[in-house]
Amino acid sequence: GNSVTQMEGPVTLSEEAFLTINCTYTATGYPSLFWYVQYPGEGLQLLLKATKADDKGSNKGFEATYRKETTSFHLEKGSVQVSDSAVYFCALLDSGGYNKLIFGAGTRLAVHP
Amino acid sequence: NAGVMQNPRHLVRRRGQEARLRCSPMKGHSHVYWYRQLPEEGLKFMVYLQKENIIDESGMPKERFSAEFPKEGPSILRIQQVVRGDSAAYFCASSPAGDYEQYFGPGTRLTVT
Repeated sequence: GNSVTQMEGPVTLSEEAFLTINCTYTATGYPSLFWYVQYPGEGLQLLLKATKADDKGSNKGFEATYRKETTSFHLEKGSVQVSDSAVYFCALLDSGGYNKLIFGAGTRLAVHP
Repeated sequence: NAGVMQNPRHLVRRRGQEARLRCSPMKGHSHVYWYRQLPEEGLKFMVYLQKENIIDESGMPKERFSAEFPKEGPSILRIQQVVRGDSAAYFCASSPAGDYEQYFGPGTRLTVT
């Protein structure tokens, strides 16, 4: 079945450091891919998405490129801030007909001043 | 436009009691999804509903769990005879008809003592 694998956390960075969170997927076809962010005590917010191969999703300084050759969708940010501390989830849209999301386990990011 | 609303935000139940979780989708959204997040894990799909219909319940445990989305009122996720393993955060998401993008509520954190 379809699945998403994310790098394990926690990831601890200093402010203004470069961020990469790895995400790879297994799926039939080319599903839409997403990054969600969850701040402490809150629900998930859509951060960015890509719907086809070579698409680049971007938002709030975060970017991710849909790479079908490597089945990856790595999240990057050039300069992180303390306010970026959260849990980040990679997800794919299961194309089995009912639009359910399949999530990775999440990666906790802690940014220190 | 109010977002997806869930209540209660926190729910404590003793083993053997019933838990009822409510979800009001965004205005104009007719599709509701329920996901469960166990501690330190990603979200797992439970059920997908449209008004008065269960479309996909492949992620629902076979016993004790049920969901509904009536013509009027919120969607309800019901857990009968709760056990400690039901302790988790339960998230609801909604989407409009014909759109795969899901908007998440803040979640209900269920604790079974």
